[in-house]
Amino acid sequence: AQSVTQPDIHITVSEGASLELRCNYSYGATPYLFWYVQSPGQGLQLLLKYFSGDTLVQGIKGFEAEFKRSQSSFNLRKPSVHWSDAAEYFCAVAPMTTDSWGKFQFGAGTQVVVTP
Amino acid sequence: ETGVTQSPTHLIKTRGQQVTLRCSSQSGHNTVSWYQQALGQGPQFIFQYYREEENGRGNFPPRFSGLQFPNYSSELNVNALELDDSALYLCASSTTQGLTRYNEQFFGPGTRLTVL
Repeated sequence: AQSVTQPDIHITVSEGASLELRCNYSYGATPYLFWYVQSPGQGLQLLLKYFSGDTLVQGIKGFEAEFKRSQSSFNLRKPSVHWSDAAEYFCAVAPMTTDSWGKFQFGAGTQVVVTP
Repeated sequence: ETGVTQSPTHLIKTRGQQVTLRCSSQSGHNTVSWYQQALGQGPQFIFQYYREEENGRGNFPPRFSGLQFPNYSSELNVNALELDDSALYLCASSTTQGLTRYNEQFFGPGTRLTVL
């Protein structure tokens, strides 16, 4: 069965420290991969996406993610966290088939808390 | 350029009632997807509308139905509400221009539905 797993439900990080959020997927073929951020009362904002090519992708707000085909992973990283990065982060996949266009499957999310 | 808007922001209904949620897509977008996000979970794909027709459906019963209008706005209707329907309902719009290139989805802020 197809699935998206975010193993960490909750992560606490100090401001200025590095952050890594994990995402693993199980699909028949490599799907499109995304990371979204959701702040309280807000919709989902796209941080970055991977379709093909360079396996290290850069996104907004200083985030980057690395696609590792052998591990079926797409982990999100930020070298130095700011207090404004406190939010919930979702990994999502969309199959590369036309009949599944835009029909995302999301992970359960990782809640990030930033401490002073 | 206006983003994706949803109405109402919050809604309280009782079990067995019917509800209609509305979504205005981003200017120029012709595809709308709806997602249900239960508390503490990632969004779940409900269905997608393209050119006023349903273009794919997730694992939701028929009492979840939708419409897309000529101006590409959309409605989500839920009949015979159940307690488990309490969730944040997200609408996302995108542009479908052929079937070989993904186009980014933009999410609205959501409608919080509470079923008592």
